[in-house]
Amino acid sequence: ELKVEQNPLFLSMQEGKNYTIYCNYSTTSDRLYWYRQDPGKSLESLFVLLSNGAVKQEGRLMASLDTKARLSTLHITAAVHDLSATYFCAVDRIVSGGSNYKLTFGKGTLLTVNP
Amino acid sequence: GAVVSQHPSWVICKSGTSVKIECRSLDFQATTMFWYRQFPKQSLMLMATSNEGSKATYEQGVEKDKFLINHASLTLSTLTVTSAHPEDSSFYICSARKPGQYGRERFGAGELFFGEGSRLTVL
Repeated sequence: ELKVEQNPLFLSMQEGKNYTIYCNYSTTSDRLYWYRQDPGKSLESLFVLLSNGAVKQEGRLMASLDTKARLSTLHITAAVHDLSATYFCAVDRIVSGGSNYKLTFGKGTLLTVNP
Repeated sequence: GAVVSQHPSWVICKSGTSVKIECRSLDFQATTMFWYRQFPKQSLMLMATSNEGSKATYEQGVEKDKFLINHASLTLSTLTVTSAHPEDSSFYICSARKPGQYGRERFGAGELFFGEGSRLTVL
């Protein structure tokens, strides 16, 4: 069974600082997603990482994927208050039978950026 | 990106009634749709996988008779919470998978898009 572990689960940081959220998964995957969720809202897709060594950046967020280490990171640069939210990684992989793909989520990281 | 619409976005009902939530892919035909449940301050829990024209595949521990899923077309899946009780109160989110492309992506591995979510409160 695929396990997706995210850490830290809670992150409180000051504006202007840098930090990294880690996402480890237990078996091979076909793609990895990072999502943002604001309170009371659904998921907003941030990044889709397809292959080993993939790196994507959008504003102050950068995501990378190392399929050999089964590790993805979400790096926050010079955090601002607007980045406060819960961030989820999710691993997409084919399930037994080969006809369906299934997304497994990490527990999420609650990020609070303080002024 | 692609658009997935969920309706209603919130619903309040009395205990014992049934509630239907719709999930529509507005600009693509979804090969597969998924239904998730999320409790406060927790992650998303997959309830079932729905393929058009076939029975849904439920995750372990999810009651099939309680949570009826119908995937009538390639753009619409519905979740009906039957005889709802207060413990069914939750945030329900659907997602739809866009067909993958031959070559670069294996067939079936299209990107996922999420609906806006439906908050159910059972009194």
